[in-house]
Amino acid sequence: GAVVSQHPSWVICKSGTSVKIECRSLDFQATTMFWYRQFPKQSLMLMATSNEGSKATYEQGVEKDKFLINHASLTLSTLTVTSAHPEDSSFYICSATAGGGNEKLFFGSGTQLSVL
Amino acid sequence: SQKIEQNSEALNIQEGKTATLTCNYTNYSPAYLQWYRQDPGRGPVFLLLIRENEKEKRKERLKVTFDTTLKQSLFHITASQPADSATYLCALTSWGKLQFGAGTQVVVTP
Repeated sequence: GAVVSQHPSWVICKSGTSVKIECRSLDFQATTMFWYRQFPKQSLMLMATSNEGSKATYEQGVEKDKFLINHASLTLSTLTVTSAHPEDSSFYICSATAGGGNEKLFFGSGTQLSVL
Repeated sequence: SQKIEQNSEALNIQEGKTATLTCNYTNYSPAYLQWYRQDPGRGPVFLLLIRENEKEKRKERLKVTFDTTLKQSLFHITASQPADSATYLCALTSWGKLQFGAGTQVVVTP
């Protein structure tokens, strides 16, 4: 099956710093990638939809200036959490669809962000 | 508002038995419904997709039913094994975006 690689798996940073998370589709081209966040024992919440070569579409309540998304190629999307604060601590997961009417998503392994 | 509801209580089950999980939804008109498995600290893994015109779908020891009248899907793990222990998520598409229930944790004990 299709593989999505997400890096890093975990990161600890100081409050006020920025953190970049990478998401790569390894064996397929992903015109669309999705970024989710998940708090313990809660459902995945869609943050934004990332389209290759265009601006990301953010869900209501998600600050686009805080969560910068770049989808520079068909295999790479990045999420940068700018000026991170403790409340940004969460599990961030990217996903991609192989397109062509394939509705299922392939997920990365997730990034646990802890902001001190 | 749209809701996807799954039993929040963990399901504890003995090895070899059948685990049955429920997914109820409101204010969706889904063309299909999906089930994913999520292990702690990992991203979800796709298991099954069932379309609105399909009553039942099977994959190895997994069985999913979909009742659009009741707005409910049931997910069965037959002959459960300790390796089946995980959280199982129900997901529906709305406006092209996949939305998830909170999941039900399954614990299979030997």
